[in-house]
Amino acid sequence: GEDVEQSLFLSVREGDSSVINCTYTDSSSTYLYWYKQEPGAGLQLLTYIFSNMDMKQDQRLTVLLNKKDKHLSLRIADTQTGDSAIYFCAQFSGGYQKVTFGIGTKLQVIP
Amino acid sequence: NAGVTQTPKFQVLKTGQSMTLQCAQDMNHNSMYWYRQDPGMGLRLIYYSASEGTTDKGEVPNGYNVSRLNKREFSLRLESAAPSQTSVYFCASSLGRTSGGQDEQFFGPGTRLTVL
Repeated sequence: GEDVEQSLFLSVREGDSSVINCTYTDSSSTYLYWYKQEPGAGLQLLTYIFSNMDMKQDQRLTVLLNKKDKHLSLRIADTQTGDSAIYFCAQFSGGYQKVTFGIGTKLQVIP
Repeated sequence: NAGVTQTPKFQVLKTGQSMTLQCAQDMNHNSMYWYRQDPGMGLRLIYYSASEGTTDKGEVPNGYNVSRLNKREFSLRLESAAPSQTSVYFCASSLGRTSGGQDEQFFGPGTRLTVL
């Protein structure tokens, strides 16, 4: 199978770090993604990591990949109210040749 | 570039009515996708088109048909709408797997469909 699991909700205070976690099932995944969905809009790619990497940093975003545990996390440093959105984890399943999305984690940033 | 556009933005149908959701992209992408988004269910793939001239079923194709009209356009048809098809529908496009790379999907703004 090619399931992707993530928690439904996360609440943080403005200025704190946010960590959104995800587990996936396909060990042959080549790419793992984080998409962001703002209210009333479609998804937009936030960042991605190739499976031969353990970490990727892009400004306030840090992605950590633990292939042994099939665990992916997204850390947002200095979280701002504009970061309030739904964050989707997704994996590309080489065996199925398709992208599978998780159900999304709603991040609420409290001012 | 407009990216991915979808029409209509909102639609209310009665059970049994038919309609077509339109999607177009201006990025010269090979692959196009239709998803539905429901609370607690995340994003589920209905149909996709890996390249012009091909279409394949996704996770939840029942009750839907698609047409890849040309490279730019990919439409989704509900022949006889049911309340279970009340959802937000997203069209997306990407360069495609054969192009190599991480194949980012670009999403349209969505169509909010209610079936009474």
